[in-house]
Amino acid sequence: GEDVEQSLFLSVREGDSSVINCTYTDSSSTYLYWYKQEPGAGLQLLTYIFSNMDMKQDQRLTVLLNKKDKHLSLRIADTQTGDSAIYFCEAGGYNKLIFGAGTRLAVHP
Amino acid sequence: NAGVTQTPKFQVLKTGQSMTLQCAQDMNHNSMYWYRQDPGMGLRLIYYSASEGTTDKGEVPNGYNVSRLNKREFSLRLESAAPSQTSVYFCASSEDGTSSYEQFFGPGTRLTVL
Repeated sequence: GEDVEQSLFLSVREGDSSVINCTYTDSSSTYLYWYKQEPGAGLQLLTYIFSNMDMKQDQRLTVLLNKKDKHLSLRIADTQTGDSAIYFCEAGGYNKLIFGAGTRLAVHP
Repeated sequence: NAGVTQTPKFQVLKTGQSMTLQCAQDMNHNSMYWYRQDPGMGLRLIYYSASEGTTDKGEVPNGYNVSRLNKREFSLRLESAAPSQTSVYFCASSEDGTSSYEQFFGPGTRLTVL
């Protein structure tokens, strides 16, 4: 079946950039999403990118999409302690939305 | 607007007991979803409802039933709870059933089955 894979942990120093990577298998994915989950809470949409785009920038967030390799990345510039959370990649087509396992981002001084 | 609400927030069951998890949204969304979240496995779709009156199985439907009571409410029922159903359950809604719209998530129900 279709799959979405992410590394499980990332540790960065405050002020550095964080890069969270995701690979997916469903080539029909039209939209690809990044969600953020803070402790004890549900998921909130962080950003998304259309499959016909290569890059999307939104303040400190940059999403890069390599459609040929089915690789998606989320870059957080100037990472802050408030960015500590689990980040989920989601891909899929109509009524077939698949989440990755989530990357836990830890930000340390 | 409250967004997506779920009840209860926490629940402990004994094996074999039944219960219903409630979900409601006040955003007039057509589509609603039930997911379970387990460590290291991300979110897995249990059931979804693309519109009022319709429901479909997701990736892990066994042991669960759902009811789309009306456009606002989508409940998840465990008829005979098993320890393997210990998880965090999230309800979500979106404007329609395509992947082109953001999903809005409830705060989750933490279920433990002993």
